[in-house]
Amino acid sequence: GAGVSQSPSNKVTEKGKDVELRCDPISGHTALYWYRQRLGQGLEFLIYFQGNSAPDKSGLPSDRFSAERTGESVSTLTIQRTQQEDSAVYLCASSSSGTLYSYNEQFFGPGTRLTVL
Amino acid sequence: AQSVSQHNHHVILSEAASLELGCNYSYGGTVNLFWYVQYPGQHLQLLLKYFSGDPLVKGIKGFEAEFIKSKFSFNLRKPSVQWSDTAEYFCAVEFGSWGKFQFGAGTQVVVTP
Repeated sequence: GAGVSQSPSNKVTEKGKDVELRCDPISGHTALYWYRQRLGQGLEFLIYFQGNSAPDKSGLPSDRFSAERTGESVSTLTIQRTQQEDSAVYLCASSSSGTLYSYNEQFFGPGTRLTVL
Repeated sequence: AQSVSQHNHHVILSEAASLELGCNYSYGGTVNLFWYVQYPGQHLQLLLKYFSGDPLVKGIKGFEAEFIKSKFSFNLRKPSVQWSDTAEYFCAVEFGSWGKFQFGAGTQVVVTP
């Protein structure tokens, strides 16, 4: 499809395990964002990729969190040694900047629901 | 530091009632403003956006929002809600033009028949 896709849709893991979440942005979108949404709370910015620039990692909550993006395509968010407080929905969004009609509008994926037992 | 606040966390209203959701931000520079909506079981999607020009912007499904720069506000309105407007609504602000966004905590709106 033409939208942002994320996998897996659900992930249940044990405390202390590492997890990897994947995001496929819309083709041609230069910007990619990761957010975390805890139950009953708003979206918490994690990290932002824009083209070939260095990513803005200012939202990553600890050094257990990291993300990579290959060029302007797939991104993976890795959480090492997961903790129960990492349980949340992790949302990915992409956007195409610089066009008249879609400047900076973010298109969201369905999210990955992570449960840490 | 920049911040975005939404005043209401939960709103319950009847069909045909008017809706207004508040959004305020703190930042002295240029902003781009957005409202996103998340219907039950669906992705977040854009409702409307403001970049420049007329401060009253119209979005999908009869929603509109007004940017009042002096009040640092971007309130969302709909004159007559429908049951299908039941959703969670998020205000988002892009501070400057770096592409980094901050979202409000969201407002859960429930419209009763």
